[in-house]
Amino acid sequence: GDSVTQMEGPVTLSEEAFLTINCTYTATGYPSLFWYVQYPGEGLQLLLKATKADDKGSNKGFEATYRKETTSFHLEKGSVQVSDSAVYFCALSDLYNFNKFYFGSGTKLNVKP
Amino acid sequence: GAGVSQSPRYKVAKRGQDVALRCDPISGHVSLFWYQQALGQGPEFLTYFQNEAQLDKSGLPSDRFFAERPEGSVSTLKIQRTQQEDSAVYLCASSPRDRGGETQYFGPGTRLLVL
Repeated sequence: GDSVTQMEGPVTLSEEAFLTINCTYTATGYPSLFWYVQYPGEGLQLLLKATKADDKGSNKGFEATYRKETTSFHLEKGSVQVSDSAVYFCALSDLYNFNKFYFGSGTKLNVKP
Repeated sequence: GAGVSQSPRYKVAKRGQDVALRCDPISGHVSLFWYQQALGQGPEFLTYFQNEAQLDKSGLPSDRFFAERPEGSVSTLKIQRTQQEDSAVYLCASSPRDRGGETQYFGPGTRLLVL
């Protein structure tokens, strides 16, 4: 079945550090891949997505590239800010069986000033 | 425009009580989803509606869980005879079209605590 594995947290970084959060997936069909962010006390918000291999999703300085050969969708940001502190979830849905998302367990990011 | 809203935001129930959780999706969105999120975990799929039709309920953990969307807009998730293991955040999401690659827009969730 389909599944997502992401690195465990928490990840603690200093402001302006480089961020990578690893995400790998298992899918039997044609997955679309997503990163969602959950700020404290708020709901899940879409951060970025990619719907086919080699696509790069980007938003707010975050980027992730859909790598079919390594079944990965790692999230990166060149310079994190304190305001990026949140929980990040990697997710997939199948292009043709799209009625559900499969989420990773989430990675908490703490950015210190 | 308005996002997905859920009510109540918090619910405390005694074991054995019935609860009803409401979801108001974004107006015009065809697809509606319910998820259960345990503490420190990612959301797990419960059920899916396309308009008023419940097309997938494979994630509902037991027959105590029931969901409906009678007019294709507002949805209610009902849990009968609540148990302590039902304590979780219940998330509702909607998407505008019924096709692959669509973004799901999430509500803030209802935090259920069963004592």
